[in-house]
Amino acid sequence: DVKVTQSSRYLVKRTGEKVFLECVQDMDHENMFWYRQDPGLGLRLIYFSYDVKMKEKGDIPEGYSVSREKKERFSLILESASTNQTSMYLCASNSGEGVDTQYFGPGTRLTVL
Amino acid sequence: QKEVEQNSGPLSVPEGAIASLNCTYSDRGSQSFFWYRQYSGKSPELIMFIYSNGDKEDGRFTAQLNKASQYVSLLIRDSQPSDSATYLCAVRTTYNQGGKLIFGQGTELSVKP
Repeated sequence: DVKVTQSSRYLVKRTGEKVFLECVQDMDHENMFWYRQDPGLGLRLIYFSYDVKMKEKGDIPEGYSVSREKKERFSLILESASTNQTSMYLCASNSGEGVDTQYFGPGTRLTVL
Repeated sequence: QKEVEQNSGPLSVPEGAIASLNCTYSDRGSQSFFWYRQYSGKSPELIMFIYSNGDKEDGRFTAQLNKASQYVSLLIRDSQPSDSATYLCAVRTTYNQGGKLIFGQGTELSVKP
């Protein structure tokens, strides 16, 4: 079974703090994704990576950056957290081959005070 | 026009009935289609995928794809209260390479005992 893990289920941070969200997958997947999910807005893609050290902006990259130094790990960074970044953050991965099912981690509920 | 559209619901059905969830997409060349189930506060989990016209059955779930009409549907037979969740339709389009999927907003399903 594919396993995607995220470093925290719940996180509370203060405005202006630097926040790191970590995601690890154990299936040697090429592609990894970061989404945020808000009521009424659905899943929105922040960034994705198709290889180590490679990244591409998604639909809402502003205020975020990412890092992929190893194939299995994809980090989302909020350089200076703001209250409008309070959200559910979901990491996903897929192989980049065949049907390309995306597998999701459990999510991190981030609250910025 | 949104790339992937779903009725937001809520769709309410009695226990034991058939629930029908629909999704339309705009890119005629789209290749793969996915249905995810998401319980409140949890991450999306894959129910099934389909890429050929017609029906695909898996237990109580049937996915139907009609590429000419650009819609994909999910039927849930003998609906149970445990099926109450939000169902996300996702599409891999021709122009979204690198394993990216386009998600609909989701349809909330409520199965009443």
